[in-house]
Amino acid sequence: NAGVTQTPKFRVLKTGQSMTLLCAQDMNHEYMYWYRQDPGMGLRLIHYSVGEGTTAKGEVPDGYNVSRLKKQNFLLGLESAAPSQTSVYFCASSRGAGRNTDTQYFGPGTRLTVL
Amino acid sequence: QQQVKQSPQSLIVQKGGISIINCAYENTAFDYFPWYQQFPGKGPALLIAIRPDVSEKKEGRFTISFNKSAKQFSLHIMDSQPGDSATYFCAAVNFNKFYFGSGTKLNVKP
Repeated sequence: NAGVTQTPKFRVLKTGQSMTLLCAQDMNHEYMYWYRQDPGMGLRLIHYSVGEGTTAKGEVPDGYNVSRLKKQNFLLGLESAAPSQTSVYFCASSRGAGRNTDTQYFGPGTRLTVL
Repeated sequence: QQQVKQSPQSLIVQKGGISIINCAYENTAFDYFPWYQQFPGKGPALLIAIRPDVSEKKEGRFTISFNKSAKQFSLHIMDSQPGDSATYFCAAVNFNKFYFGSGTKLNVKP
């Protein structure tokens, strides 16, 4: 099992450009999450999904969109990148089924720089 | 506003010493409190977790102490080793939404 994988690992964008980050998991998990990690801020939830075809907003959703067309994939889109979106983005997944005690498994992260 | 407050921001401990990281929360609806360990260039990984119906959980050298009335919990790393050098995040969970602390960078000196 590869676990949770993220594509790409690094990306540099210019202000106003768009891009999509791909997260894939092979553990048949129901729940998937997108976080951003900034120095001194910890991990902040952007959007999450509790199942195929569903998405919901987290703490910091503005400027991002997501889609979960397939159970194993969770896409994070930036329509018009801004320097404030420079961050490390992590995807995570968990079994779900409403149990808070589920472990979240994290991907290796995508380092995004917006110039 | 941050739902979970974590301290200290950084910590230096000698090999063999005890590392202590503290977290505090306000929302009494949280019902699961995991700790994650993150090495540079990697994603966080679950280290140990506790539910609020117990006051302490120990796994090897790692212990969580939980004080429900004070709404505080802490991670103790006994006999700290250089391999423990990493960033540690506490979290509080409600309805499968995880709220993370700001992280503590631990450096264990040989």
